[in-house]
Amino acid sequence: AQKVTQAQTEISVVEKEDVTLDCVYETRDTTYYLFWYKQPPSGELVFLIRRNSFDEQNEISGRYSWNFQKSTSSFNFTITASQVVDSAVYFCALSDPMDSNYQLIWGAGTKLIIKP
Amino acid sequence: EAGVAQSPRYKIIEKRQSVAFWCNPISGHATLYWYQQILGQGPKLLIQFQNNGVVDDSQLPKDRFSAERLKGVDSTLKIQPAKLEDSAVYLCASRTRQNSPLHFGNGTRLTVT
Repeated sequence: AQKVTQAQTEISVVEKEDVTLDCVYETRDTTYYLFWYKQPPSGELVFLIRRNSFDEQNEISGRYSWNFQKSTSSFNFTITASQVVDSAVYFCALSDPMDSNYQLIWGAGTKLIIKP
Repeated sequence: EAGVAQSPRYKIIEKRQSVAFWCNPISGHATLYWYQQILGQGPKLLIQFQNNGVVDDSQLPKDRFSAERLKGVDSTLKIQPAKLEDSAVYLCASRTRQNSPLHFGNGTRLTVT
């Protein structure tokens, strides 16, 4: 069965520290998509990145970077030089290739607290 | 482009009352979703529309929840009668095509007392 696990329920770091959020997924198919979303205290879910299962290149966007490793079924997210504005709940999600409706399977989320 | 619009932002009702939420997706987005997010959990899909047709409502508690998307644009989600366990944030999302990112509204925070 398809599943997304975010084992870290909550992480707290001091501003300017680097922090990595873990995401491990399970799927039987070779074609799938992985996503990261950010949910700040205001509540909306903000799309951060989508990664195709055939593209294992790491992605960097400013202070954000993503490490996709098919060998370990992981899609980890690193924030470099964290800032207070990064405080939010972060969700990892998998697009279920067995589902013709292309629905997302969500992890439980990791709450990130950046202390000034 | 304008984002997904939802209203109201907050709603407090007593149990057994009814409530309705409204969503206007991004223009041109054919697929629309309603999610329920209980505090501390990830979003749970309630219903998915493709244009004005229901694609999946397998997790919608149909004895009390209903949703419609007339004309394939705006959508409303209704709860009647509400229970205490319905307290949650109700999120609307839309997307253009399969595997494209979901775009979410700000959500409606429902408190049932």
